[in-house]
Amino acid sequence: GAVVSQHPSRVICKSGTSVKIECRSLDFQATTMFWYRQFPKQSLMLMATSNEGSKATYEQGVEKDKFLINHASLTLSTLTVTSAHPEDSSFYICSASDRVSYNEQFFGPGTRLTVL
Amino acid sequence: QKEVEQNSGPLSVPEGAIASLNCTYSDRGSQSFFWYRQYSGKSPELIMSIYSNGDKEDGRFTAQLNKASQYVSLLIRDSQPSDSATYLCAGGSNYQLIWGAGTKLIIKP
Repeated sequence: GAVVSQHPSRVICKSGTSVKIECRSLDFQATTMFWYRQFPKQSLMLMATSNEGSKATYEQGVEKDKFLINHASLTLSTLTVTSAHPEDSSFYICSASDRVSYNEQFFGPGTRLTVL
Repeated sequence: QKEVEQNSGPLSVPEGAIASLNCTYSDRGSQSFFWYRQYSGKSPELIMSIYSNGDKEDGRFTAQLNKASQYVSLLIRDSQPSDSATYLCAGGSNYQLIWGAGTKLIIKP
């Protein structure tokens, strides 16, 4: 149980385009979803936290107009990187929590974004 | 500021030996603690969770929690080359986790 999927697993796009990443909880209701970014050889960096039906809470330094997060249902959250630039190239990982597994986060497999 | 601290390593351990990974946290209100393993280029996967003082064992893994000392550790017995990875410690409450930067573990054959 507690499986989280992410799509796409890898995306290459041109500078200036927008990219949408989907995160789905397959067998549980994700009351809270988290979006992380990880640059090579660096630690996880939390970008934002979202609760179903509410606006996401962004960490300091993360541009909410650039990284749009929508948590429309208990099984789906999306991250849209708008007007992507090469410096946005990174490994984006979502995780999800439910009310049962006390604070445990279940991670998706991640999306590797490369902006040319 | 709430922090979780780990030695970044690398920690080099011979195959078959015990690997000991340590973590300290600053927030006394933290109620749950986790160890995740992350292979290069992959997302983290849960190894152990621990919520109360003492030891918790699962196969070759033992997590230890000491809330008085604000200290969490992970022991890996009979270390295997496949255990080579970065180990992330996290602690928190109210559905928010504070993450350590991770310790890189290398198991030498």
